[in-house]
Amino acid sequence: KAGVTQTPRYLIKTRGQQVTLSCSPISGHRSVSWYQQTPGQGLQFLFEYFSETQRNKGNFPGRFSGRQFSNSRSEMNVSTLELGDSALYLCASSANIGAAGAGFGPGTRLTVL
Amino acid sequence: QKEVEQDPGPLSVPEGAIVSLNCTYSNSAFQYFMWYRQYSRKGPELLMYTYSSGNKEDGRFTAQVDKSSKYISLFIRDSQPSDSATYLCAMSGWGGGSEKLVFGKGTKLTVNP
Repeated sequence: KAGVTQTPRYLIKTRGQQVTLSCSPISGHRSVSWYQQTPGQGLQFLFEYFSETQRNKGNFPGRFSGRQFSNSRSEMNVSTLELGDSALYLCASSANIGAAGAGFGPGTRLTVL
Repeated sequence: QKEVEQDPGPLSVPEGAIVSLNCTYSNSAFQYFMWYRQYSRKGPELLMYTYSSGNKEDGRFTAQVDKSSKYISLFIRDSQPSDSATYLCAMSGWGGGSEKLVFGKGTKLTVNP
């Protein structure tokens, strides 16, 4: 069974731009969660989608948004990029609500200049 | 007080040593406990997943959960250089939006040949 895939793997943007990251979950999984990983803060929860509905949201500004499509694929968008948004963005999928036991994708490394 | 505390190390051991990693937590609602391994510039890989208190063994890895002490451990027997990675504990609850994973900061482990 193919794992979680994320595209692109690397991105370089400048401040003020916006970016869209994509995640394809493991086949059959309906829950997709997004996490931000930085050296200082570690892994922090962004949001979770289940059956196209946002189920849970972390403590991030409204510049961070996401959506999930009917095929369970998910995208997250960051608008008006700031230097502090430079991070590894990780997607996790699981069969049921919540990410307990979830498998993670390889991540998208975003660098904001 | 952070919800999940994990000693960041670094931890350096000789090949063949028994490694002990641990986390403490403050949220009594946590019911699901996980250990992830993350190699440099890769996504986290699920190693162990336990529900509630007790022990779980998988090959050279043993996970222990003591909910009364809010303390979880991961033991690695006969450690190998390929075990060199960052180990992250993670936990989550059920209901009320607590299904998101809350991570420790990770412990960097080096196993020397």
